Amino acid sequence: AQKVTQAQTEISVVEKEDVTLDCVYETRDTTYYLFWYKQPPSGELVFLIRRNSFDEQNEISGRYSWNFQKSTSSFNFTITASQVVDSAVYFCALSEASWGGYNKLIFGAGTRLAVHP
Amino acid sequence: SAVISQKPSRDICQRGTSLTIQCQVDSQVTMMFWYRQQPGQSLTLIATANQGSEATYESGFVIDKFPISRPNLTFSTLTVSNMSPEDSSIYLCSGGTTETQYFGPGTRLLVL
Repeated sequence: AQKVTQAQTEISVVEKEDVTLDCVYETRDTTYYLFWYKQPPSGELVFLIRRNSFDEQNEISGRYSWNFQKSTSSFNFTITASQVVDSAVYFCALSEASWGGYNKLIFGAGTRLAVHP
Repeated sequence: SAVISQKPSRDICQRGTSLTIQCQVDSQVTMMFWYRQQPGQSLTLIATANQGSEATYESGFVIDKFPISRPNLTFSTLTVSNMSPEDSSIYLCSGGTTETQYFGPGTRLLVL
């Protein structure tokens, strides 16, 4: 069965600190996709990144970076020099691949990040 | 990115009544899903909305309680039937493309 674990329930940091959000997944599929979403207080789910199981290259986008390691089934998310606007709940999710698009998403419990001035 | 809209954005309902939520996606979307997010919780898939046929429900969700329609590629409805306070949640529609899944803004439902 597929499962996503985000062990960190809440993280509190001071602005400009770096912070890493952990994500560990379980799946028996050889082809799958991993996602990170941000849910700010407004409630809307904002897509951040998708990574397929064959691409283990790390990715950097501005202050955001992602580290995908199949050997440890982890897909961790780092925010460098955090800002107050980064305060949100962050969800890691897993999806099998299917024809015509992605299959259902299995979400982790989420990590609530609070960045204080 | 795909554009997904939902309405209503929020509602307060009395127990025992039903509410229908509408979801409109743009043409990039191939698959549509309905999720529920209970207060302070993660998202749980209710069902996959299938065009022109019955939705595929996840364990713990049944058609009598959450009837879903998808008459065409870009439109779907979710009805929350015979509501109770336990149904108070955010209901989110999502659309899958070849790139990712995008989410609508959600419908915040409070049942009194």
